[in-house]
This record gives sequence, C-alpha cells and structure tokens, in this order.
Amino acid sequence: DAKTTQPTSMDCAEGRAANLPCNHSTISGNEYVYWYRQIHSQGPQYIIHGLKNNETNEMASLIITEDRKSSTLILPHATLRDTAVYYCIVRSPGDNFNKFYFGSGTKLNVKP
Amino acid sequence: DVKVTQSSRYLVKRTGEKVFLECVQDMDHENMFWYRQDPGLGLRLIYFSYDVKMKEKGDIPEGYSVSREKKERFSLILESASTNQTSMYLCASSPPGMYSYEQYFGPGTRLTVT
Repeated sequence: DAKTTQPTSMDCAEGRAANLPCNHSTISGNEYVYWYRQIHSQGPQYIIHGLKNNETNEMASLIITEDRKSSTLILPHATLRDTAVYYCIVRSPGDNFNKFYFGSGTKLNVKP
Repeated sequence: DVKVTQSSRYLVKRTGEKVFLECVQDMDHENMFWYRQDPGLGLRLIYFSYDVKMKEKGDIPEGYSVSREKKERFSLILESASTNQTSMYLCASSPPGMYSYEQYFGPGTRLTVT
C-alpha cells in the first residue's frame, strides 16, 4: 500500500548536499510526510517530518512543494556515515499503526 | 536521547523451540511495536501496544504473541519457532498522540531458526 515513489539509489560526494526526492501525488490534506533512514545492520532512525511547511532540524531539512505532491529531504553536508536507505512515508496521525509502510526507500551512497 | 535496547543482536534457535525476544525503552513511551524485516518485503508490523497490558495485532501476528507487563518492556514470543520465522526483528517505541509516528527503533535481533 505504498503511497510514495522514490528512486532506488543515488550517489553523493562527501561534503556535498544530498537531495533525496519523494513523490506522493495522492497525499491528502491531513497526511504528514515522514523520513526515516536505516544504516546497514541497524534499526531505522527517525529524521524529520512535516505537513506543509518546510522543516529543519539538526539532521536535515524537509522541503515540501506547495501542492504537497512531492518533497525533498536535504542532508546539507553529507558524510560517509550518511550512507543508508532513506524511507519517505506518508500517513495521517489518525491512521492505524499497521499502515505505517516503509517500502523500499532510496539507497544513498556517499562517496569520498 | 531515546534508547531502545533489544536483548540479543543474534540468536539461533531450533524448530519448535519457544523463543523470547525482549525490548526495553527508557523514554517512558506509551507505544511500543514489534516488526520483522525481510528482503523485498520491507518492515511488517507484528504487534503493537499502546499501554501496559494492552496489545493490538498488526499485519502478521500469526505464530507470535506479546507481553507488556511494565511500561518500559515489550516482549515478543514465538510459541513454536519455525524456519519461516527466520528474520530481522525490530522493536520500536513512540510517544502518544500526533507524534506517535516518531518511532525510535532498537538495533534489531537477527533470528535464525534451523
């Protein structure tokens, strides 16, 4: 029941910004966009979430288009430790937990 | 920082054994979850709990049970382990309400059933 589309993989040079896109063209008005990442052999890690305004925290920035049909996660200065699978998830706070679908994500390869 | 710990990183059990996977969180979170992760299938929710002694089935509860006797601890039980339960098991916790999807995951337990 994936509501998002992400590229399978992306490369990024160390020290440069990594911009990870996500399409969610069927998003509804009360659905949030969440981003998680999973470093190899670890559990997923929450990064950021937003509804319609751009958001920034110590890890990343989230840019959501005005029509909310797509978003971009930005890691401003990627390091080798940011190599991971990044998941974009769309869900309403009222949804049952078993509808929190991680999907296949984008494998980000940060290269020296 | 939220800390979610799981009792083992790697576990090998025999078919038919009863298996206990333990999860402990230190952030006083109401919600706790058990997932399994398999290649090509993503994360699938087995059970979750939103309070002590409360539990709800997820997508794939068959062959599993859970126990939540204390707020910080959520146990997953495989009543009679089978080879198709070989998987990575992930525990998570989250606060209640609208931030409940900020789930914090443990490191995972890779279970092999032979």
